[in-house]
Amino acid sequence: ETGVTQSPTHLIKTRGQQVTLRCSSQSGHNTVSWYQQALGQGPQFIFQYYREEENGRGNFPPRFSGLQFPNYSSELNVNALELDDSALYLCASSPGQGKVAEKLFFGSGTQLSVL
Amino acid sequence: GENVEQHPSTLSVQEGDSAVIKCTYSDSASNYFPWYKQELGKRPQLIIDIRSNVGEKKDQRIAVTLNKTAKHFSLHITETQPEDSAVYFCAASRGGSSNTGKLIFGQGTTLQVKP
Repeated sequence: ETGVTQSPTHLIKTRGQQVTLRCSSQSGHNTVSWYQQALGQGPQFIFQYYREEENGRGNFPPRFSGLQFPNYSSELNVNALELDDSALYLCASSPGQGKVAEKLFFGSGTQLSVL
Repeated sequence: GENVEQHPSTLSVQEGDSAVIKCTYSDSASNYFPWYKQELGKRPQLIIDIRSNVGEKKDQRIAVTLNKTAKHFSLHITETQPEDSAVYFCAASRGGSSNTGKLIFGQGTTLQVKP
């Protein structure tokens, strides 16, 4: 059984640029959630994908968008990067058992620095 | 809005002592309460979780208690060891038809276990 993997591990961008982060979910998991973790803070929910559709979103602007593919892997896209977007971006997968809150298994994250 | 408060922000104990971390949640519909351990530069790892139909759960040296009336839940670590040193996050979730992967995290507690 493979765990959640994310790429790249580190990324440096400049303000105004666009970035794409990638995530492969744990084997057998069909739901992917994305979180932003600023330094010294707890992770904050960005959105969730289930069966290739966004089905939950936190308080993040529309320039944060995502995709989920048929193999349940996922991408997080951020447009018009701002300095405050600098953070660790975590992907988490879960089995997708339905309406019950689920155990999340996190990847190691992508550290994004916006200069 | 949904909020989870976590205390203390830092905790230093001697090896072998017990450590207690407390959290309070605001959303009375929350029904799932996981605890994550995050070592420096690593992914958050689920160490124990509890659902709202249970008041207490134990796994070896770790236990979690839940008081639904007061909207409090706590993590108890007994016989602490230096390898328990890390940042611990509590979280709460309500699940539902969407947002099954949406966790509201506390701010984190940095636990230091001194040899």
